[in-house]
Amino acid sequence: TQLLEQSPQFLSIQEGENLTVYCNSSSVFSSLQWYRQEPGEGPVLLVTVVTGGEVKKLKRLTFQFGDARKDSSLHITAAQPGDTGLYLCAGDALNTGFQKLVFGTGTRLLVSP
Amino acid sequence: DTGVSQNPRHKITKRGQNVTFRCDPISEHNRLYWYRQTLGQGPEFLTYFQNEAQLEKSRLLSDRFSAERPKGSFSTLEIQRTEQGDSAMYLCASSLVVGLETQYFGPGTRLLVL
Repeated sequence: TQLLEQSPQFLSIQEGENLTVYCNSSSVFSSLQWYRQEPGEGPVLLVTVVTGGEVKKLKRLTFQFGDARKDSSLHITAAQPGDTGLYLCAGDALNTGFQKLVFGTGTRLLVSP
Repeated sequence: DTGVSQNPRHKITKRGQNVTFRCDPISEHNRLYWYRQTLGQGPEFLTYFQNEAQLEKSRLLSDRFSAERPKGSFSTLEIQRTEQGDSAMYLCASSLVVGLETQYFGPGTRLLVL
C-alpha cells in the first residue's frame, strides 16, 4: 500500500512568515500534485510536478519534486491570511492505467493577520 | 464551464437507510472518480469510470456501495443499509484524458449517519 505522510499536520503562523510543508513516501510516483481545500469544499489543484528534481513556482508558492520522485515540498514565502486552508499532496500511483491518486493526510495552515 | 457539481451538498440519515448521491462532471470529461474523505484525513479513492464503464473499485467499496454512470455523463453513488462508519465527505472528480491528466473536484456531499 502506498502512503504519503505530510508534516507538519498543523501550522499556525503570523502574516509575513515563511513556511515549508513536506510530503514523504517510500514509494515512487509518476507525478505528484498539490491541492488546497477550503472547509466544506472539494480540493483545488495548485500544481502538478512530474520530473524528479522539478521546481515550480506559483507566485509566493514554490513546489519541489524529489529527485527519486518519492517526496515533495511546498514552500510559501511571506504567508498571507488568504493562504489559510488544508494543503494536500497526492501522488499518482505507478502502473495502474489511470490516475489513481494517493492523498497525504494534509497540513492545516492558519495564517493570522 | 460550470465545473463539477454534486447533490445534495449535505445529507443526514438514520442508520439502516439507503442514500444516493449524484455527480455531474464537467461536460465532455470522459473519466469520473469517487473519493471518500473522513475528518482529518485526505481523500481516499473509491472507484472510477471511463465513459460508462466502471474500471476499478477500491477494497473500501463494500458490497453496500454501488456506483453507476449509465450514459457516460452524470454518476450516482448509492449506499445501502448505511452505518455510522459511512459518515464522511463523498467527493467526485472528473477529468479529460488528454496529455497530463488533471482531476477537477466537486464540492462534495457530506453524509452524517445517525
